[in-house]
Amino acid sequence: DIQLTQSPSFLSASVGDRVTFTCRASQGINSYLAWYQQKPGKAPKLLIYAASTLRSGVPSRFSGSGSGTEFTLTISSLQPEDFATYYCQQLNSFPITFGQGTRLEIK
Amino acid sequence: QVQLVESGGGVVQPGRSLRLSCAASGFTFSTYGMHWVRQAPGKGLEWVAITSYDGDNMYYSDSVKGRFNLSRDNSKNTLYLQMNSLRAEDSAVYYCAKELGDYGEMNAFDIWGQGTVVTVSS
Repeated sequence: DIQLTQSPSFLSASVGDRVTFTCRASQGINSYLAWYQQKPGKAPKLLIYAASTLRSGVPSRFSGSGSGTEFTLTISSLQPEDFATYYCQQLNSFPITFGQGTRLEIK
Repeated sequence: QVQLVESGGGVVQPGRSLRLSCAASGFTFSTYGMHWVRQAPGKGLEWVAITSYDGDNMYYSDSVKGRFNLSRDNSKNTLYLQMNSLRAEDSAVYYCAKELGDYGEMNAFDIWGQGTVVTVSS
């Protein structure tokens, strides 16, 4: 199985900050990586797919990059509604796997 | 609008069975692969199973293989998850999710249901 390791596990930041999350795969997954945002009690919401393609309707302050085994999600200027947990997901091979998540909290 | 609505969750004793349903609307259900993902209380997301758009191919996580059975009725726009021999560790919110791409282009899950809670306890 392909393991995804997200770092950091927890991040405290302020509105307006630029933040970057990392997702490392245990083996190459090409660009079959997606990023999701989840708020408490809600279903995950797709932000980025194919490592760097912004889903329609998602604000442009979100961006993704990477290929192979190392990927990043960047939020260029944090807004109050961005405080949530972020998960990466690989769809290169079965079983599909998720990272353990990065919890982003307000400083 | 595009929507997925899960139902069928509840409290069940270990070893018993439960069937979840996921009703789809607002898109051509028969052209999209569909997945189940679960989330135990306070934990991360765990992929459970996939059915191809035509129902010909299914894959399961090792944690549920042999106990859970996935099916779909494209005439009713509904996805099912039959869960047998339930264990305490199966307790979670179960989400159904739609693939972003059609006809097997599995690049992300773009639509998720609201989730249904399964609690396995004696």
